[in-house]
Amino acid sequence: EVQLLESGGNLIQPGGSLRLSCAASGFTFTSYAMSWVRQAPGKGLEWVSGISGSGDSTHYADSVKGRFTISRDTYKNTLYLQMNSLRVEDTAVYYCAKEISDSGNYWGGDVFDYWGQGALVTVSS
Amino acid sequence: QLVLSQSPSASASLGASVKLTCTLRGGHYNYAIAWHQQQPEKGPRFLMKLNSDGSHIKGDGIPDRFSASSSGAERYLTISSLQSEDEADYYCQTWGTGIWVFGGGTKLSVL
Repeated sequence: EVQLLESGGNLIQPGGSLRLSCAASGFTFTSYAMSWVRQAPGKGLEWVSGISGSGDSTHYADSVKGRFTISRDTYKNTLYLQMNSLRVEDTAVYYCAKEISDSGNYWGGDVFDYWGQGALVTVSS
Repeated sequence: QLVLSQSPSASASLGASVKLTCTLRGGHYNYAIAWHQQQPEKGPRFLMKLNSDGSHIKGDGIPDRFSASSSGAERYLTISSLQSEDEADYYCQTWGTGIWVFGGGTKLSVL
């Protein structure tokens, strides 16, 4: 059974840093690209960042580029999101999501077939 | 520019059927999408991946009441025999080169 479990959400002041984790199980972690998706209060889903199965390719939404860093630890089967220079508008529930297809040697992207339960990040003074 | 458009709201009666629409903008008419359901106060749940030819792959445990189809730039999700637990937000999702995109979501009310 595929399971994704986020942790690390917290209340943080503007300008601060936070690292989210997503522990994955039930599938071959290195074979699948992963993403972070967020949802601000009362709003829709917004893709934040994605990483290939091998970890050697990453992409970011313009809204977080230069401030957030996605990474993965293949030994711990864990996905991370390092968030720096946090802003009030980064306040959201952050979900990790798994892509549906084995990315193999070429990561072209795909839809998400499993989601975590979410981690709440609140940026406020 | 890759954009997905959805109506903000829809409603249908208990036991009836409803068809939700997701429109691919920017000429990306052959793109596959996914449909996700988000019940109140819960995380999203993958329903199915829908290709431009109408073929689809369902998520684990998704009942037969949920089906999907395609026509040109339109991608549809049909829910039949509506139940109270179908009241939720429904999002479509696709991807491009280095970008993943969601529609704005449709809030479905079951009357």
